Amino acid sequence: EVQLVESGGGLVRPGGSLRLSCAASGFTFGRYTMNWVRQAPGKGLEWVSSITSTTNYVYYADSVKGRFTISRDNTKNSLYLQMNSLSAEDTAVYYCARDCVGAAARWFDPWGQGTLVTVSS
Amino acid sequence: DIQMTQSPSSLSASVGDRVTITCRASQNISSYLNWYQQKPGKAPKFLISAASSLQTAVPSRFSGRGSGTDFTLTMSSLQPEDFATYYCQQSNNIPWTFGQGTKVEIK
Repeated sequence: EVQLVESGGGLVRPGGSLRLSCAASGFTFGRYTMNWVRQAPGKGLEWVSSITSTTNYVYYADSVKGRFTISRDNTKNSLYLQMNSLSAEDTAVYYCARDCVGAAARWFDPWGQGTLVTVSS
Repeated sequence: DIQMTQSPSSLSASVGDRVTITCRASQNISSYLNWYQQKPGKAPKFLISAASSLQTAVPSRFSGRGSGTDFTLTMSSLQPEDFATYYCQQSNNIPWTFGQGTKVEIK
């Protein structure tokens, strides 16, 4: 079974840092681009960052550029998101999602269950 | 960035109703349009890629149409398990962007 399990969320003070992890299983992790997507409480989905299979390319939403760093360890089947200079606007459930590519198509599937990050004093 | 706008933001419907949700892109995205379903407290679930290709195991009452800037998701006969929030997402250009969501509620 293809599975993604996030961890590392929690309560952090404004200006603080947190590192999220996503453990992958059931597929050849090193062959896929991976993504982080977040959802603020009661709000919609926001793509945060992507990293290609061999880490040659990383991409960020403007809202996190310069503060967040995406990385991966293909030997550990794991994806990471280092989040620095956190603010209340970063409070959200963070999902990792696998990038799937088909004929003239690209989509996220599956998604992990999410990990909640709360930034508050 | 490509803006995705869904309408309506919410709707009330009954079991058995035909329901259509619209998604409009701020520029041409060809058929790079996906649909996801999300139930409360759960992760989004992938439904449709390339505007109209159903994911394996998605019931045939779901269908997607469109290209360019205008897209629709239709549920031909709403079932109790279909009450959820639906999101469109463009995969034509980074940053990948989502619509604001359409909440389908029980009337």
